[in-house]
Amino acid sequence: AQKITQTQPGMFVQEKEAVTLDCTYDTSDQSYGLFWYKQPSSGEMIFLIYQGSYDEQNATEGRYSLNFQKARKSANLVISASQLGDSAMYFCAMREGPSGGSYIPTFGRGTSLIVHP
Amino acid sequence: NAGVTQTPKFRVLKTGQSMTLLCAQDMNHEYMYWYRQDPGMGLRLIHYSVGEGTTAKGEVPDGYNVSRLKKQNFLLGLESAAPSQTSVYFCASRGGPITEAFFGQGTRLTVV
Repeated sequence: AQKITQTQPGMFVQEKEAVTLDCTYDTSDQSYGLFWYKQPSSGEMIFLIYQGSYDEQNATEGRYSLNFQKARKSANLVISASQLGDSAMYFCAMREGPSGGSYIPTFGRGTSLIVHP
Repeated sequence: NAGVTQTPKFRVLKTGQSMTLLCAQDMNHEYMYWYRQDPGMGLRLIHYSVGEGTTAKGEVPDGYNVSRLKKQNFLLGLESAAPSQTSVYFCASRGGPITEAFFGQGTRLTVV
């Protein structure tokens, strides 16, 4: 069973609009963390945002925010005011604690986001 | 400010040939990982290391070996390359168990 599920293979958004990329996860650990990475067409992996399971507030980094719903086991990425440069693959990842996954980052299959002008 | 550096960036191998991919990090990180990325599959863990001299198998270790003789370097070896190993390989490192991973630029490997 996949630990990280990204159900949207592709998403389209108009420039300047907000977009939500979905991520659900599966773990029995109490301590875990969720990450989002961006992979532009140039290929590098860029860290965007992190949310720890004990963090009470949703993480925010500039135009990125993480909508963390622990009971639903979801950690959706929200990009506000989309820009053309946001067009990329986006990966959700999770690191579990020592009992579940030895802290190893596990990745979803990614969502391709295209921003239209 | 090099971060994580992978060499080479591109390589074409013939079936049965061997090669070593080098990952070097200058951040004094303990944890290092090798992933492969295939279309529609995300990143899958090949091997990882939690410190100098240690290695462990990940999700897809068959056909690969690794070594971490020095803290800053993590080598991925293919002893006898197969077309199924055509992929983009990423190395990553982390300073601690709960911090984010920093990635290299990737190595695009084609096995013909």
